[in-house]
Amino acid sequence: GQNIDQPTEMTATEGAIVQINCTYQTSGFNGLFWYQQHAGEAPTFLSYNVLDGLEEKGRFSSFLSRSKGYSYLLLKELQMKDSASYLCAVRDQNGGKLIFGQGTELSVKP
Amino acid sequence: AAGVIQSPRHLIKEKRETATLKCYPIPRHDTVYWYQQGPGQDPQFLISFYEKMQSDKGSIPDRFSAQQFSDYHSELNMSSLELGDSALYFCASSLGAIDLPAYGYTFGSGTRLTVV
Repeated sequence: GQNIDQPTEMTATEGAIVQINCTYQTSGFNGLFWYQQHAGEAPTFLSYNVLDGLEEKGRFSSFLSRSKGYSYLLLKELQMKDSASYLCAVRDQNGGKLIFGQGTELSVKP
Repeated sequence: AAGVIQSPRHLIKEKRETATLKCYPIPRHDTVYWYQQGPGQDPQFLISFYEKMQSDKGSIPDRFSAQQFSDYHSELNMSSLELGDSALYFCASSLGAIDLPAYGYTFGSGTRLTVV
């Protein structure tokens, strides 16, 4: 079966750093994606990890530990526009579909 | 750069009517994925196509069908619509179904279907 868990909501202050965790138990694994989604809009790709370790991309970094079934997304120098839902998704190794977690609603306060 | 194009952006239908959603993938992309996202829910995989053949099937109701055409665009046909079908429907495209390069799918802007 597939099970992806992330916190439902988080609050952080503008300029701060926030870490959004994601744990997964899936029958197959072929990479983990993080997406940002504003209400009513399409998910926007943020990062991709297939090997263990940290991937850095500007203000966003993502970490993966396959042995622990764990990933996190790190957002630095938070801006008000970062208020959105952040979706963790595991790519299935058969056919390549994405299996999403329920999303973490991040609120950035002044 | 060209993105995934979905049409229409918004659609209002009555119960028991039919709806057709269209997806035009990024040029040269040969794989299309359809997702349904209900209010406050995460996207749920419906169905995918690779080189015009169905490659995977998720939680797609029997009332729905889809296909991919020779130009790689895809259509999702929904019949006997129910109130619970009201959702955002996203299409994503990629190059290849299995060995993808290390970048994410590109999602279209979605079609918001409202069934009344």
